[in-house]
Amino acid sequence: DVKVTQSSRYLVKRTGEKVFLECVQDMDHENMFWYRQDPGLGLRLIYFSYDVKMKEKGDIPEGYSVSREKKERFSLILESASTNQTSMYLCASTSGGSEQYFGPGTRLTVT
Amino acid sequence: KNEVEQSPQNLTAQEGEFITINCSYSVGISALHWLQQHPGGGIVSLFMLSSGKKKHGRLIATINIQEKHSSLHITASHPRDSAVYICAVSPTYNYQLIWGAGTKLIIKP
Repeated sequence: DVKVTQSSRYLVKRTGEKVFLECVQDMDHENMFWYRQDPGLGLRLIYFSYDVKMKEKGDIPEGYSVSREKKERFSLILESASTNQTSMYLCASTSGGSEQYFGPGTRLTVT
Repeated sequence: KNEVEQSPQNLTAQEGEFITINCSYSVGISALHWLQQHPGGGIVSLFMLSSGKKKHGRLIATINIQEKHSSLHITASHPRDSAVYICAVSPTYNYQLIWGAGTKLIIKP
């Protein structure tokens, strides 16, 4: 089975802190995605990557950056966390046109 | 207008009822996805389909490409089916999925 893991299920950070969210997949998928999920807004794409060191902005990239140094790992970085970045963050991976496999999510609270 | 529309937004039914959730889209697609999210849980892919019908246990997904419409059916619904069901499409022009807003389903015992 495909496995997508995320570094933390719950995270509490202070405003202004630098935050790293890690995602690892074990199925050699080329494509990886970071989403945030907020009540009433559904899933929104932050960034995605279709290969190592390649990245594309999604719908809401402001305030975020990403890193993909290895194929299996895709990191989301909040350079200076703000309270409006309190959300559920979901990582997903896929190969070509296959279904997306999601990690369990990280619920981030910024105080 | 959203490119992927789901209906209903919320649905409450009694255990045993036949459930239908609808999804309409307006773009050309290579595939349509149905996903499930339990409260506090991660998202799980139920189906990916590009034509016809797929069945898995009590869940059935159909798609009509000409009408740009898909339905997810649940037969003999059970309280454990209570979840948010999300429709998403893979457009023909890029890797990103276009997401519906989700349908919150509650099955009462």
